[in-house]
Amino acid sequence: AQSVSQHNHHVILSEAASLELGCNYSYGGTVNLFWYVQYPGQHLQLLLKYFSGDPLVKGIKGFEAEFIKSKFSFNLRKPSVQWSDTAEYFCAVKRYSSASKIIFGSGTRLSIRP
Amino acid sequence: GAGVSQTPSNKVTEKGKYVELRCDPISGHTALYWYRQSLGQGPEFLIYFQGTGAADDSGLPNDRFFAVRPEGSVSTLKIQRTERGDSAVYLCASSLVAGASQETQYFGPGTRLLVL
Repeated sequence: AQSVSQHNHHVILSEAASLELGCNYSYGGTVNLFWYVQYPGQHLQLLLKYFSGDPLVKGIKGFEAEFIKSKFSFNLRKPSVQWSDTAEYFCAVKRYSSASKIIFGSGTRLSIRP
Repeated sequence: GAGVSQTPSNKVTEKGKYVELRCDPISGHTALYWYRQSLGQGPEFLIYFQGTGAADDSGLPNDRFFAVRPEGSVSTLKIQRTERGDSAVYLCASSLVAGASQETQYFGPGTRLLVL
């Protein structure tokens, strides 16, 4: 069965620090990969997605993620975080096939100190 | 344009009662999904519809849970004989075409269900 692991449950950083959130998935076939973000009091929003092609994908608000197929990883990065990045971040995977359900990780809570 | 909407935003009920949760997808989206998010967890898949039919209901936890989408637009998630363990945020998402190689699901704000 597919699964997604997010290694950090809670990350605390100061403004301007660099960010990397780990994500590993288990599935042997072709996948689509996503990072969703949930800001306090708001609903899930798509941050970025990987379908095919360049394994380095860029999303909104300066975020990027790199798909490393050999490591089954899709880590999220941002060179310099802002206080407004405080949120819960979810890594997710979907099989590149007719099955459409998304499998989510348990999430990483990011707290930014102003 | 309008996103996915869900009503009610909050629902408090007593153990054993019946509840209905409604989802209005983005106009023109043919695929609709239900997920459940418990505290401290990521969303978990329940069921998805392609048009009016349930294409995959493998995530429904038991036969107390049922969902319909009679006209291929609005969907209702129905929970019978609610239990305290059903307390969670129920999320709805929609997409243009289920299973497409570049499908993206867009989520609504969720319904927070509390079973006392």
